Amino acid sequence: NAGVTQTPKFQVLKTGQSMTLQCAQDMNHEYMSWYRQDPGMGLRLIHYSVGAGITDQGEVPNGYNVSRSTTEDFPLRLLSAAPSQTSVYFCASSYSVGGAQPQHFGDGTRLSIL
Amino acid sequence: QQPVQSPQAVILREGEDAVINCSSSKALYSVHWYRQKHGEAPVFLMILLKGGEQKGHDKISASFNEKKQQSSLYLTASQLSYSGTYFCGTEVNTGNQFYFGTGTSLTVIP
Repeated sequence: NAGVTQTPKFQVLKTGQSMTLQCAQDMNHEYMSWYRQDPGMGLRLIHYSVGAGITDQGEVPNGYNVSRSTTEDFPLRLLSAAPSQTSVYFCASSYSVGGAQPQHFGDGTRLSIL
Repeated sequence: QQPVQSPQAVILREGEDAVINCSSSKALYSVHWYRQKHGEAPVFLMILLKGGEQKGHDKISASFNEKKQQSSLYLTASQLSYSGTYFCGTEVNTGNQFYFGTGTSLTVIP
């Protein structure tokens, strides 16, 4: 069982570059989300989606875009990378929100912006 | 909207007990608890629904006070394997967001 798959696992970018972090799940989960994890800050919600074609902003959405064209995929785009976006990024999915379903996490992407 | 956890860090000796608290400013539908080992993804421990229930998972249990929007995680007779960072996660009564707390670093030493 693949679960939630994130690629790449590591990435180094230069300031101003753009890139897409990939996230795919094979559990037919409706709810998908992106978090960034920084020391002492916990996991902060960037964007989330409650189903294909529906996305919304979380706590820290600036500098990031998302789309959800299929149930399986939820890519996160950095439009113009900044050093403040250096972080570990986690994608998570669950059957729903409001239904008390556990969140399943990918292994994370460690991103450094120089 | 991120829930606040306390303490931020705790060091225990094997066999000692610990309590981790999670507090939200929003009315909650449920509270989740996760544990994260260094360099790994968070792993689900348990969910508590509003109604004040208490759940247990081996020697780890939790309670949820919906009136105060607070949850507590209880670790009894701690083992070395309990070391890690513990996060609460909250589903609010309105909206579709799921928020994680600030985290509590737990270190168990021999």
